[in-house]
Amino acid sequence: EAQVTQNPRYLITVTGKKLTVTCSQNMNHEYMSWYRQDPGLGLRQIYYSMNVEVTDKGDVPEGYKVSRKEKRNFPLILESPSPNQTSLYFCASQNSNTDAFFGQGTRLTVV
Amino acid sequence: AQSVTQLGSHVSVSEGALVLLRCNYSSSVPPYLFWYVQYPNQGLQLLLKYTSAATLVKGINGFEAEFKKSETSFHLTKPSAHMSDAAEYFCAVTRGGGYNKLIFGAGTRLAVHP
Repeated sequence: EAQVTQNPRYLITVTGKKLTVTCSQNMNHEYMSWYRQDPGLGLRQIYYSMNVEVTDKGDVPEGYKVSRKEKRNFPLILESPSPNQTSLYFCASQNSNTDAFFGQGTRLTVV
Repeated sequence: AQSVTQLGSHVSVSEGALVLLRCNYSSSVPPYLFWYVQYPNQGLQLLLKYTSAATLVKGINGFEAEFKKSETSFHLTKPSAHMSDAAEYFCAVTRGGGYNKLIFGAGTRLAVHP
């Protein structure tokens, strides 16, 4: 089954404690991206990757890092999380001739 | 620059009534337009999309949307609401085919009551 898998689905952490949210896709898609969803703001792109070792900033990249060492994986790294990064995060993947597939989401709370 | 405005953060309808969710876009290039649905605790599911072919687009679960260039609108409709339609709906725009960032609206939460 074609899917985008994010882990964990829920995470509560404390300010400043580094964390990683993993994202993996099994469709051999070249393009992957991370979005955050906040009430009244919809989804905003954090980072994206056009292919292995090619990443670039989206609209709200501050406080986040990403890496793309393998085609299937695109982890989101928060080196020093802060409460304003409390949000619902979505990973997405696609090819040039497909629609975007979204993961199930990761609800992050930073206290 | 592209942007999307969804009119009404919350819409409430009776079961069996018409569903109308409004979306207006701004784009300096011919847009591709999408409607996504998000059920509680789930990811986004594509309902339908406009990619410069037919202006009336039919999607899953009985939804459809009409692209009106003169009004810069892409409103989502369904003739008869079901309880299972209760969810959050997002309108999104992108520049066109290939790898392009989706620009989302703020979302509209649809409630369906008996």
